[in-house]
Amino acid sequence: KAGVTQTPRYLIKTRGQQVTLSCSPISGHRSVSWYQQTPGQGLQFLFEYFSETQRNKGNFPGRFSGRQFSNSRSEMNVSTLELGDSALYLCASSVDREAGELFFGEGSRLTVL
Amino acid sequence: DQQVKQNSPSLSVQEGRISILNCDYTNSMFDYFLWYKKYPAEGPTFLISISSIKDKNEDGRFTVFLNKSAKHLSLHIVPSQPGDSAVYFCCAGGTSYGKLTFGQGTILTVHP
Repeated sequence: KAGVTQTPRYLIKTRGQQVTLSCSPISGHRSVSWYQQTPGQGLQFLFEYFSETQRNKGNFPGRFSGRQFSNSRSEMNVSTLELGDSALYLCASSVDREAGELFFGEGSRLTVL
Repeated sequence: DQQVKQNSPSLSVQEGRISILNCDYTNSMFDYFLWYKKYPAEGPTFLISISSIKDKNEDGRFTVFLNKSAKHLSLHIVPSQPGDSAVYFCCAGGTSYGKLTFGQGTILTVHP
């Protein structure tokens, strides 16, 4: 069974640009969550999607957005990039709602210059 | 508002000894807790969990203890092995809360 796949794995952007990250969940998983990992801050919850609907949202500015498609694949977008957006962005999927065990992808490492 | 806190950024242990990682939480709505392990360049992987109706859960070398009155949980690794060296994240969730909340992580280093 294939795991959670995130693309791209690494990317470099400059301030003011926008970026789109993609996540393919484990087959059969309908819930997809996104987290931002920065040193000292742990994993900060961005948002969770279930059946194409955003079910939960963390405390991030509106520059951070996401969506989920009918095949459960998800994308997140960050507009007007800032230096502080440099982080590892992790996607996780689960069978149903975001409860219990999450299965994480390897993450997308974003560097903003 | 850090609802799940891991106050020790790092822990260093000798191989064969016990590793104890601690975690505190503030939200009484949390009713289950999980530990994840993360190696560099990999996503976190699930390690062990505990429901709030229990005070202990054991899986091989890993045991999680929950003290609800103190809002504290700990992960014990016995005996510790060099391959256990990783970042450990404590997280908490509630069946009516809707999302998992993670702590900042503790870097465990097990020396041979």
